[in-house]
Amino acid sequence: DQQVKQNSPSLSVQEGRISILNCDYTNSMFDYFLWYKKYPAEGPTFLISISSIKDKNEDGRFTVFLNKSAKHLSLHIVPSQPGDSAVYFCAASAENSGGSNYKLTFGKGTLLTVNP
Amino acid sequence: DVKVTQSSRYLVKRTGEKVFLECVQDMDHENMFWYRQDPGLGLRLIYFSYDVKMKEKGDIPEGYSVSREKKERFSLILESASTNQTSMYLCASSPAGTLETQYFGPGTRLLVL
Repeated sequence: DQQVKQNSPSLSVQEGRISILNCDYTNSMFDYFLWYKKYPAEGPTFLISISSIKDKNEDGRFTVFLNKSAKHLSLHIVPSQPGDSAVYFCAASAENSGGSNYKLTFGKGTLLTVNP
Repeated sequence: DVKVTQSSRYLVKRTGEKVFLECVQDMDHENMFWYRQDPGLGLRLIYFSYDVKMKEKGDIPEGYSVSREKKERFSLILESASTNQTSMYLCASSPAGTLETQYFGPGTRLLVL
């Protein structure tokens, strides 16, 4: 049962345009969401996060939107650059009943290609 | 800067061999994790550890074990490697506490022949 879903395996956009990557989740206990970027042959690097008490978080060209009622989040990249071409993973976590230790549940990833 | 290092970037082993993958982090993080990444399947959690000598199974622990004797080091062990364990293995660490980001190492690409 996939709790975090990225339904688009790939996305292609032109340089300078907006990239929108989508993520849906099913577990209503998730309260923290993250996006990671991964280049080939490298480990994922943290990009941006949002907690469930917010509906938007912005960091430079990257903005994450959270719609809790729809159990949906999206990552907007504006303007897109060729260096943004990578696999983007959505991840979510829920506070364990015992306290503060979190594990992340990842989606399958979306390959973003930004064309010059 | 957080640094998570993995002992090998590429590894080739034969079926039935015992394989050790080592991960070291230098930020005194309490939590450490092992994932594998496969095309079309994303990152799947194998095992994680909240503290020295503590370990918990992730989503796909079968065929793997782990060891955490020191806080900075978390080892993944394939007792008897099989071809279906050919994959990219990623180690991560994070501080204890809520809403903490995980930091990943560069990964080990393991090929089991």
